[in-house]
Amino acid sequence: GESVGLHLPTLSVQEGDNSIINCAYSNSASDYFIWYKQESGKGPQFIIDIRSNMDKRQGQRVTVLLNKTVKHLSLQIAATQPGDSAVYFCAESPPGTGRRALTFGSGTRLQVQP
Amino acid sequence: NAGVTQTPKFQVLKTGQSMTLQCAQDMNHEYMSWYRQDPGMGLRLIHYSVGAGITDQGEVPNGYNVSRSTTEDFPLRLLSAAPSQTSVYFCASSYRSGSSYNSPLHFGNGTRLTVT
Repeated sequence: GESVGLHLPTLSVQEGDNSIINCAYSNSASDYFIWYKQESGKGPQFIIDIRSNMDKRQGQRVTVLLNKTVKHLSLQIAATQPGDSAVYFCAESPPGTGRRALTFGSGTRLQVQP
Repeated sequence: NAGVTQTPKFQVLKTGQSMTLQCAQDMNHEYMSWYRQDPGMGLRLIHYSVGAGITDQGEVPNGYNVSRSTTEDFPLRLLSAAPSQTSVYFCASSYRSGSSYNSPLHFGNGTRLTVT
């Protein structure tokens, strides 16, 4: 079946650098995408979302880019901090679900080196 | 405002035992759902509910039952636990806007279940 996947299982960056976490999705008809952050022992925490009619959305220190041509989603974190260390998941909402069901990727671990 | 509360945090069961994982939210969200998270995998949807009295199956519903008698609560039942159900279980909720559920899911902190 179709699924959401990630290119890199672990990403290590220096504190203060920018981080880019990538995600490939296979359902070209998905209309909604979300990034979640999960710290150890906690549930996923919403970071930012984007609808399929947009190609970029910015939040506080984070930017999500959507490239529908190549079915690629990325999360950019500016000036990465130690508190950003976590596992990051992308998720997509397949069409016809009314966003009731999300398909999650397997996650990328971000390690921030001091 | 506690958000999504899951109990217990940890549970160990023997094969064949039954138990109920509790989930409660105080945000008056119409939509609630259960996911399981296994090592190296993303979250997979077990069951969901779009309102009191309404439930539906997700991607991996076998071995689990749910009910939604109130807006606030959405318990997940394991009738006969199996080692394959060892996992971390997350409950999530969101509100409804029009015909879709546009708000991001709010997750609880999970229940870590081990079945021996």
